[in-house]
Amino acid sequence: EVQLVESGGVAVQPGGSLRLSCAASGFTFDDYTMHWVRQPPGKGLEWVSLITWNGVSRHYRDSVEGRFTISRDNSKNSLYLQMTNLRTEDTAFYYCVKDVGGNWNYVFDSWGQGTLVTVSS
Amino acid sequence: NFMLTQPHSVSESPGKTITISCTRNSGSIATNYVQWCQQRPGSAPTTVIYEDDQRPSGVPDRFSGSIDTSSNSASLTISGLKTEDEADYYCQSYDSTNVVFGGGTKLTVL
Repeated sequence: EVQLVESGGVAVQPGGSLRLSCAASGFTFDDYTMHWVRQPPGKGLEWVSLITWNGVSRHYRDSVEGRFTISRDNSKNSLYLQMTNLRTEDTAFYYCVKDVGGNWNYVFDSWGQGTLVTVSS
Repeated sequence: NFMLTQPHSVSESPGKTITISCTRNSGSIATNYVQWCQQRPGSAPTTVIYEDDQRPSGVPDRFSGSIDTSSNSASLTISGLKTEDEADYYCQSYDSTNVVFGGGTKLTVL
């Protein structure tokens, strides 16, 4: 059974930094593209970032480009999101999401339970 | 950028069948796969349909997906409605540079 467990969400001030982690199990992690998807409380879903199976290709939504960095450690079955220069509009639940394939793709098939990031002064 | 438009809410009685639409406003619905996820209150999303009409393991066959090029839309159909199906449902698709979610449809089973 696929399991994705996020951690690292906390309250932080605007301009601050944070690193989210996602521990994956139940599948061959280094075969699959992984994503971060976020959801502001009470609102809809927004895709944030993608990293292909080998970490070579990465893609970001425009509003986080240059501030967020996605990475992965296939030896630890882990996905990360380094978030810097945080803004109040980054406040959201952040979900780690598995893709059905390993390349540049946007087909989500498994989700974690989410971790809440709150950016507020 | 394209948009995916869903009805804001739908409701139906237990045991009935309901269909939720997702209309793409530019570009063909058939060009890129459509996914559907379910989000029960207070819970994380789960995928119920991927690649237009595929069900992940564990999703009951009461859930089905389809696309219609004439209306440029995708549909999620849930048959034999149960109270546990009450949730928000989001469609999602993409193009070469954008990932788009629909605004979500609140399904009430009453």
